[in-house]
Amino acid sequence: SYELTQPPSVSVSPGQTASITCSGHKLGDKYACWYQQRPGQSPVLIIYQDNKRPSGIPERFSGSNSGNTATLTISGTQAMDEADYYCQAWDSNTVIFGGGTKLTVL
Amino acid sequence: EVQVVESGGALVQPGGSVRLSCAASGFTFSSYAMTWVRQAPGKGLEWVSGISGSGVSIYHADSVKGRFTISRDNSKNTLYLQMNSLRAEDTAIYYCAKLDRGYGSGAYLDYWGQGTLVTVSS
Repeated sequence: SYELTQPPSVSVSPGQTASITCSGHKLGDKYACWYQQRPGQSPVLIIYQDNKRPSGIPERFSGSNSGNTATLTISGTQAMDEADYYCQAWDSNTVIFGGGTKLTVL
Repeated sequence: EVQVVESGGALVQPGGSVRLSCAASGFTFSSYAMTWVRQAPGKGLEWVSGISGSGVSIYHADSVKGRFTISRDNSKNTLYLQMNSLRAEDTAIYYCAKLDRGYGSGAYLDYWGQGTLVTVSS
């Protein structure tokens, strides 16, 4: 079965750039999405179709996807960005989530 | 405004059953595929089931196949998840999520509910 692999945790200082990776076999041939989940809240879509932002999502969030790796980049990270981040893709008719990455803003 | 609101979560004994509901509003319900995603305490997201806008095509994760059934009533703008033969490992928050289009590759989950908790314990 298809798997997406994320680092369990990433740390970043306020104002710096955070990068969260998501790896899967030929992931670049699929569309990748990213969701943000703050503690105690529901997931929110922040990137779809590799690099598009839904309305209302700040420009500091961006995405890319090539080869076997999709990357979520947060520029000028703020304290409010501290959350869990999940990548997502499709394998046939199955929705696949990565294991999630906890972003800590130190 | 798009809204999806889950209900029906409960404390259930192992082997028991429960039906979750998801009431949708703010969009043409029958035009969009829907999914259920769960999250066990302290764990990540796990896709459970998906259904096309018409309800004709349904899909379940291997972990719930044969025990859970997804369905929808487009006349009531409501999504359901019938959960039978429940196990301790089914304990989780269950989220209802709308897809941005029909069911299948490339679609994304653009609106999520607040979730409903199912606890399986004796």
